[in-house]
Amino acid sequence: SQKIEQNSEALNIQEGKTATLTCNYTNYSPAYLQWYRQDPGRGPVFLLLIRENEKEKRKERLKVTFDTTLKQSLFHITASQPADSATYLCALDRRSNYQLIWGAGTKLIIKP
Amino acid sequence: EADIYQTPRYLVIGTGKKITLECSQTMGHDKMYWYQQDPGMELHLIHYSYGVNSTEKGDLSSESTVSRIRTEHFPLTLESARPSHTSQYLCASSERWIAGPSSTDTQYFGPGTRLTVL
Repeated sequence: SQKIEQNSEALNIQEGKTATLTCNYTNYSPAYLQWYRQDPGRGPVFLLLIRENEKEKRKERLKVTFDTTLKQSLFHITASQPADSATYLCALDRRSNYQLIWGAGTKLIIKP
Repeated sequence: EADIYQTPRYLVIGTGKKITLECSQTMGHDKMYWYQQDPGMELHLIHYSYGVNSTEKGDLSSESTVSRIRTEHFPLTLESARPSHTSQYLCASSERWIAGPSSTDTQYFGPGTRLTVL
């Protein structure tokens, strides 16, 4: 069955460094992949979308890559700040019924 | 900030009670969703709607029901709450889309309802 894997262990990064989060998927070929941010007790907030024919997408300090051969997406935050601390979720489209399937997210902690 | 609202934000209720979780959006979006999320776990789709008078069950089996009488409103009802229903319930919406290779489904979420059934 389709499966999304995100690192379940929290990622601790020093302020100012680049944080890199990983999203791996199996048994699937999505048309696009999305990244969301979720703060405790809140709903996810959309950040970036990357399509299968795109290698890289940028938005301010955020960068997403998509490698359909490796079945992997990397999410980078450059010049990280404590305010970037949150859980980051990746979601893939399910072509069959146009719904999204979600990873469990990786908790990112930026230390001052 | 997305214009999608959920009430109540927190609810503690006894077993057997009937509850309705409210969700409203002011963006005119066609598609709406209900997800269930437990701490540290992925979102599980329990219901969705393509528009007025359209409702579909999601992947996760749920004893809840939904209705979509108005575009902006998508309430979820539990006829008889049980402790196993304790969870975070998230409502989301997305814009009108046309099925095809270029369509995407970017979703906008409400703040969630934290339900505890004793």
